[in-house]
Amino acid sequence: EAGVAQSPRYKIIEKRQSVAFWCNPISGHATLYWYQQILGQGPKLLIQFQNNGVVDDSQLPKDRFSAERLKGVDSTLKIQPAKLEDSAVYLCASVPLAGGWDEQFFGPGTRLTVL
Amino acid sequence: GENVEQHPSTLSVQEGDSAVIKCTYSDSASNYFPWYKQELGKRPQLIIDIRSNVGEKKDQRIAVTLNKTAKHFSLHITETQPEDSAVYFCAASKNAGGTSYGKLTFGQGTILTVHP
Repeated sequence: EAGVAQSPRYKIIEKRQSVAFWCNPISGHATLYWYQQILGQGPKLLIQFQNNGVVDDSQLPKDRFSAERLKGVDSTLKIQPAKLEDSAVYLCASVPLAGGWDEQFFGPGTRLTVL
Repeated sequence: GENVEQHPSTLSVQEGDSAVIKCTYSDSASNYFPWYKQELGKRPQLIIDIRSNVGEKKDQRIAVTLNKTAKHFSLHITETQPEDSAVYFCAASKNAGGTSYGKLTFGQGTILTVHP
């Protein structure tokens, strides 16, 4: 089966600019996660979708970050405006259904550098 | 919320030795504990996981132990090989069979280096 797809793989922007990341989960996976992984740290959950609804966005900096999953399939994460501390790898992951015992499959990530 | 602490942050062993990485968690309701391996520039990949209804699980050279009372779990790698060199992350979550759980809280990671 195809894995989780993400694009772009790399992005370099200047602070205060906007950026968007795209994720296409494994076909049939109802639950999609966006994680932020700062260099040298473990991934931190930003937002969790169940189909097209938000389940958990408690750690999403909503003043600058937004995410959507309009049709319950692929998802977009946006940062506007970007700050230096947003430099990180943004990982997307999916599972068939949240709370089951299935493995969370991760995409390759988007490495963002904010100058 | 859940907090996961992982130690050590770096671990260096000789090929053939064993490696042990330890994690503690704060939320007694957590019941699922996966371990991920992340090679440089690549995605995290699940290597083993354990549910709270068992105390130990083994898969070839890798084993995980869980102590629910003390709220800690450990990864054990025996007969280490250079290709085991990577960053290892522990994680914890509350799973309830299909409800809105499954959020993983990760530890800080352990850089494992296996010297030939």
